[in-house]
Amino acid sequence: QKEVEQDPGPLSVPEGAIVSLNCTYSNSAFQYFMWYRQYSRKGPELLMYTYSSGNKEDGRFTAQVDKSSKYISLFIRDSQPSDSATYLCASVLSGNTPLVFGKGTRLSVIA
Amino acid sequence: GAVVSQHPSWVICKSGTSVKIECRSLDFQATTMFWYRQFPKQSLMLMATSNEGSKATYEQGVEKDKFLINHASLTLSTLTVTSAHPEDSSFYICSARRAGDSNQPQHFGDGTRLSIL
Repeated sequence: QKEVEQDPGPLSVPEGAIVSLNCTYSNSAFQYFMWYRQYSRKGPELLMYTYSSGNKEDGRFTAQVDKSSKYISLFIRDSQPSDSATYLCASVLSGNTPLVFGKGTRLSVIA
Repeated sequence: GAVVSQHPSWVICKSGTSVKIECRSLDFQATTMFWYRQFPKQSLMLMATSNEGSKATYEQGVEKDKFLINHASLTLSTLTVTSAHPEDSSFYICSARRAGDSNQPQHFGDGTRLSIL
């Protein structure tokens, strides 16, 4: 079993929709949780970074972590065509250890 | 802040050539950098962890003599693909984390697309 599970999609939504992206993880020792956005032929760009259960909001993006159920979510409000990308969830034990990535979810926002 | 620069962005070369890829943290120091490989429509696969001033730690199945990593300063790590062959063609990405603060996340370069003919 992979340590971080993520549905690879693809996911297609109309412009303006609320998008929900989800991951589960198996290692209860993970301390930090991240969401990265990756456009085609580009490196991942950090979107959200959390280390406690609860919600963290940044503009149209909300990251949610539930450590009791080992569940990570990213919500995108008022989705735009420019949000079309692959979204990667990641977890890590500590700052100096490698990230453990999910497979990534390909999102298309249709105008 | 937290910008990671990777160079070159794209390289095409003949089989048997050695190719060096640079990863620089532009506005912070990084004691640890990571090198990943990504195939089309797949997630990132960790190749090795690069530690400043010491030997890199390679993941299982990654040939250390094939993929040479040097992390000679707090802002630069290099990956050299030695005697590259077509099967080494891939997207190589590095990441770096700001030194001295274990709460800081990793930031990624824009990747290097390597095509071996």
